[in-house]
Amino acid sequence: AQTVTQSQPEMSVQEAETVTLSCTYDTSENNYYLFWYKQPPSRQMILVIRQEAYKQQNATENRFSVNFQKAAKSFSLKISDSQLGDTAMYFCAFMNSFNTGNQFYFGTGTSLTVIP
Amino acid sequence: EAQVTQNPRYLITVTGKKLTVTCSQNMNHEYMSWYRQDPGLGLRQIYYSMNVEVTDKGDVPEGYKVSRKEKRNFPLILESPSPNQTSLYFCASSPQGTDTQYFGPGTRLTVL
Repeated sequence: AQTVTQSQPEMSVQEAETVTLSCTYDTSENNYYLFWYKQPPSRQMILVIRQEAYKQQNATENRFSVNFQKAAKSFSLKISDSQLGDTAMYFCAFMNSFNTGNQFYFGTGTSLTVIP
Repeated sequence: EAQVTQNPRYLITVTGKKLTVTCSQNMNHEYMSWYRQDPGLGLRQIYYSMNVEVTDKGDVPEGYKVSRKEKRNFPLILESPSPNQTSLYFCASSPQGTDTQYFGPGTRLTVL
C-alpha cells in the first residue's frame, strides 16, 4: 500500500516570513501525482498545488512552490511571504497514474499558524 | 456555478439506523470519491468511482456502500451505522482521477 507521511503535526510562522512543510511518500511506481491541499477553519478542501512525477520542473503557484525530490520520495511545500489567510491545515496527497489504480492517499496533515 | 454538493451537512443518528449521504456534481466529472476525516488520521478514502456503474474500494470501505447509477450522483450508504463511523465525510470529483479534485463542503455525522 502507498503511504504519505507528514512528520510535522504543527508549525507556526511569522507573517511575511517563509515556511516549508515536509511530506514524504512511499511507492514502487514511476508515474504518479502529488498534491497539496489546504483546509482552513471553514473545513473546505482547497487545492494549493499539483505535481506530476514525470515532470522534473517543480510546480509553482504564486507564493506557493514545491521541492520535488523523486529519488528521495520527498514533496515539500514552501510558502513565501506568509499571510494570515494561510493559517490552515495542509494535507499532502498522492495518487498513482491512471493505469495503475486511482486510489488517493492523504497524509495526516500539518496545522500551520501564521502569527501577526 | 460549478460545485459538489452534499446533503445533509450535519446528521446525528443512532446505532443501526440506515442512512444515506447524497453527493452530486454538476461538472460532468468522470471520477467521484468519498473520504472520511478523523483527527490525527487525515483523510482516508472510502470508495471511489471511475465512471457510471464502476466503483472500487478505498482504504476504509468496511461498513459503507456506494452506487453510481448516474454520472452526477454518488451516494454513500451506511446500512447499520456504528459509533466508530462518527466522522467528517467529504465527497469529491474530478474530470479524471489524476486531475484536481473538487471537494464538497463536508457532512458531519454523529452516531450515538
